[in-house]
Amino acid sequence: GDSVTQMEGPVTLSEEAFLTINCTYTATGYPSLFWYVQYPGEGLQLLLKATKADDKGSNKGFEATYRKETTSFHLEKGSVQVSDSAVYFCALTGTGGGNKLTFGTGTQLKVEL
Amino acid sequence: DVKVTQSSRYLVKRTGEKVFLECVQDMDHENMFWYRQDPGLGLRLIYFSYDVKMKEKGDIPEGYSVSREKKERFSLILESASTNQTSMYLCVIRDSNYEQFFGPGTRLTVL
Repeated sequence: GDSVTQMEGPVTLSEEAFLTINCTYTATGYPSLFWYVQYPGEGLQLLLKATKADDKGSNKGFEATYRKETTSFHLEKGSVQVSDSAVYFCALTGTGGGNKLTFGTGTQLKVEL
Repeated sequence: DVKVTQSSRYLVKRTGEKVFLECVQDMDHENMFWYRQDPGLGLRLIYFSYDVKMKEKGDIPEGYSVSREKKERFSLILESASTNQTSMYLCVIRDSNYEQFFGPGTRLTVL
């Protein structure tokens, strides 16, 4: 079945540092890929998405590129802020099973001054 | 956007009790999903429904059942709650454009 693997956290960075959170996936067909963010005490929010190979999703300074050849969708940001501290989830929707979302286990990011 | 309402934000129940968690949408979308979220495990799909009275098992359906009598309402039922069902439960709606909308979650504690 479909699966998503993302790097374990927590990831701790200083403000203005470069961020990469790795995400790789296994799926049949051509899934859509997502990054969700969960701020402390809040629900999940869609951060960005890409629906086909080589698409780049971007939002709030975050970017991720759909790489079919490496089955990856790594999240990057050039300069993180304290307000980016949250848990980040990589996810995909496959081509069957009601197009359900399959999530990674989440990566906690802590940004310090 | 779809508004997704869950019946309770926090719930405390005792082992063996029957528990109902409700999810209501303010639109007419067909696809509704129940997930549980646990630290280190991410979100795991329990059940989903693609129409009234239609349901499919997700990845971890054991110990749960669901009901969808009306299109806007999707209920998750714990027939006999156990401590390992202590978790955050999330309802998700998917619209016709494959956008997903999350409910605020119900944090269930089973004592």
